[in-house]
Amino acid sequence: AQSVTQLGSHVSVSEGALVLLRCNYSSSVPPYLFWYVQYPNQGLQLLLKYTSAATLVKGINGFEAEFKKSETSFHLTKPSAHMSDAAEYFCAVSDDDYKLSFGAGTTVTVRA
Amino acid sequence: ETGVTQTPRHLVMGMTNKKSLKCEQHLGHNAMYWYKQSAKKPLELMFVYSLEERVENNSVPSRFSPECPNSSHLFLHLHTLQPEDSALYLCASSQAGGASNEQFFGPGTRLTVL
Repeated sequence: AQSVTQLGSHVSVSEGALVLLRCNYSSSVPPYLFWYVQYPNQGLQLLLKYTSAATLVKGINGFEAEFKKSETSFHLTKPSAHMSDAAEYFCAVSDDDYKLSFGAGTTVTVRA
Repeated sequence: ETGVTQTPRHLVMGMTNKKSLKCEQHLGHNAMYWYKQSAKKPLELMFVYSLEERVENNSVPSRFSPECPNSSHLFLHLHTLQPEDSALYLCASSQAGGASNEQFFGPGTRLTVL
C-alpha cells in the first residue's frame, strides 16, 4: 500500500528565505509523485510531478523537487520565498492504479 | 469553461434539507473523484468513478449519494446531513491509465450544515 508522510504541519519563513517542505513516501513499486498547492477557499493546483524521468523536477512559481529513491523522499524547495507563497502544500503518491494518496498537508506562512 | 468546475461554490443547508453538488470536467478524462476536506484533517477520498462506474466507496455514510451520468459529470446528492459534514467538498478528474495519474481539481463547494 502506498502512503505519504509530510514532516511538519506548519512552516514559517521570512520573505526571501529558502522554503523547504519535506515529503517521504512508501510504495511497493516505482511511484509517481506530486506536489499540489491550495490557496484559501480554492481547489488543489499541481505544482510539479515526478514520473520517472529526471530526478530533479522543476515546477511552477519557482518551485522544484528532487526524487531520492534511496531516501524515499521527494522534498519541495524554493530558493526565495515570496508573500504569495503562503498557502497549504500537499504531497501525493500514486503507483499502479489511478488513485492518489495525499499527505496531511503543510501550511506555509511568509513573514515580511 | 475549462478544467473542472463545481457548483455551487457555497452552500448552507439545514439537517432536513436535500441538495446536490455538481461537478463538470472539460478535459476528456475518464475518471472522477469526490473528496472531503475538513479543517485540521487530511484529504479524504469519498468516491471514485472510472468509466462511469463506481469503483470505490470509502465507507461513506449513506446520506451521501453519488451519481455519474456520463464521463463529464459527477453529482453528490446530500440528505439529512449532520453538522460534522460541514467541509469543503472537492471534485477531481484524471485519465485512468494515463501517463502519470495526475488529478485535476475543481475549486470546491464550501458546505455548511446548520
